Amino acid sequence: QVQLVESGGGVVQAGRSLRLSCVVSGFTFSRYGMHWVRQAPGKGLEWVSVISFDGRDKQYAGSVKGRFTISRDNSKNTLNLQMNSLRAEDTAVYYCAKIDCGADCPPDFWGQGTLVTVSS
Amino acid sequence: DIVMTQSPLSLPVTLGQPASISCRSSQTFVHSDGNTYLHWFQQRPGQSPRRLIHKISNRDYGVPDRFSGSGSGTDFTLKISRVEAEDIGVYYCVQATHWPWTFGQGTKVEIK
Repeated sequence: QVQLVESGGGVVQAGRSLRLSCVVSGFTFSRYGMHWVRQAPGKGLEWVSVISFDGRDKQYAGSVKGRFTISRDNSKNTLNLQMNSLRAEDTAVYYCAKIDCGADCPPDFWGQGTLVTVSS
Repeated sequence: DIVMTQSPLSLPVTLGQPASISCRSSQTFVHSDGNTYLHWFQQRPGQSPRRLIHKISNRDYGVPDRFSGSGSGTDFTLKISRVEAEDIGVYYCVQATHWPWTFGQGTKVEIK
């Protein structure tokens, strides 16, 4: 059974930092790129970041570039998102997701999300 | 960044009737491998999203065949042949060819 369990959300003041984690089980974590996608309250989905299967390649949305850092620990089946210099507009539910699709398109899996609230 | 524009943003539907959602992109996004990475996601109320369609027209595993995707270039469509109660939710298109991935605004499908 595949599980992606996010943690680390909470209420934080603007300008401060927060670190999200996502522990994965049920598939071979080290074989797949992993994403963070967020959803502001009552709003749509916004792609945030991706990391390659081996951690070498990373991409970020313009809105978070230079403030957020994605990382992974394949020995612990864990995906992380270090969020610095947080802003009110970063308030959202953050989902970790296995949603890569190339020539081969394996099933997608999502966590339940963790809520980050940035107070100004 | 590629802008994805969905219409309508709200779609009242009658159970058993068809529904159609449009997604238009600000530019074409064909990958160097020849694929157009246009996917459709469904988000039911209170749930995490799930992918329904990948690469324009390929249904994901377990997705009912009443869902179909089509399109090319900058115009794409998700169709539901006969809407069922479990189809209520928000549908998103996303271009996943170029970084950053960009989602459409979402289309809320609700019962009329």
